[in-house]
Amino acid sequence: GENVEQHPSTLSVQEGDSAVIKCTYSDSASNYFPWYKQELGKRPQLIIDIRSNVGEKKDQRIAVTLNKTAKHFSLHITETQPEDSAVYFCAALGNQFYFGTGTSLTVIP
Amino acid sequence: GAVVSQHPSWVICKSGTSVKIECRSLDFQATTMFWYRQFPKQSLMLMATSNEGSKATYEQGVEKDKFLINHASLTLSTLTVTSAHPEDSSFYICSATNAMGGSEKLFFGSGTQLSVL
Repeated sequence: GENVEQHPSTLSVQEGDSAVIKCTYSDSASNYFPWYKQELGKRPQLIIDIRSNVGEKKDQRIAVTLNKTAKHFSLHITETQPEDSAVYFCAALGNQFYFGTGTSLTVIP
Repeated sequence: GAVVSQHPSWVICKSGTSVKIECRSLDFQATTMFWYRQFPKQSLMLMATSNEGSKATYEQGVEKDKFLINHASLTLSTLTVTSAHPEDSSFYICSATNAMGGSEKLFFGSGTQLSVL
């Protein structure tokens, strides 16, 4: 089956700096890669997603890049703000969704 | 976007009792619903996949007789934790896929914090 690894597990950045979270997957048949943001005790919210036929997608301060050959995809958050502090999960969809282990992001004002 | 409603959001129960958690898709038909368990600051652990009108598919290590899942309609799935014990205390979240809008996007419920005394 699929194996999704996510790094780092924790990340602290100064407000205004960029944050990058990376995920790798093992199943070359996976073709959809969403990223979720989860605040403590709340539901995960989809923030951006990318399909396997696209290399990069951007939505304001958030971008995702995908390298199919290397089987990895990354979340980039620019100009970070304190409200970006949360746990972020990547996922890969093959025959089912597989989630990464999560990254706890702290943005220091 | 599509809305998934999950109730209750928080429940405390005595050991040995059963707890039912509901997951409803409010404005779309969900052919597939998923149930997860989540420990603090950890990832979502898929427990089972529920398809409307058929038996749920459980992940390895999840006791189907303890975690009863019913998906009787395209808008409602329930998870019943039977004879709950303190080790069952956790955050449980459901999610659903929109049959009409394609099956890629997942919409999550707000979660249920279960505490078993």
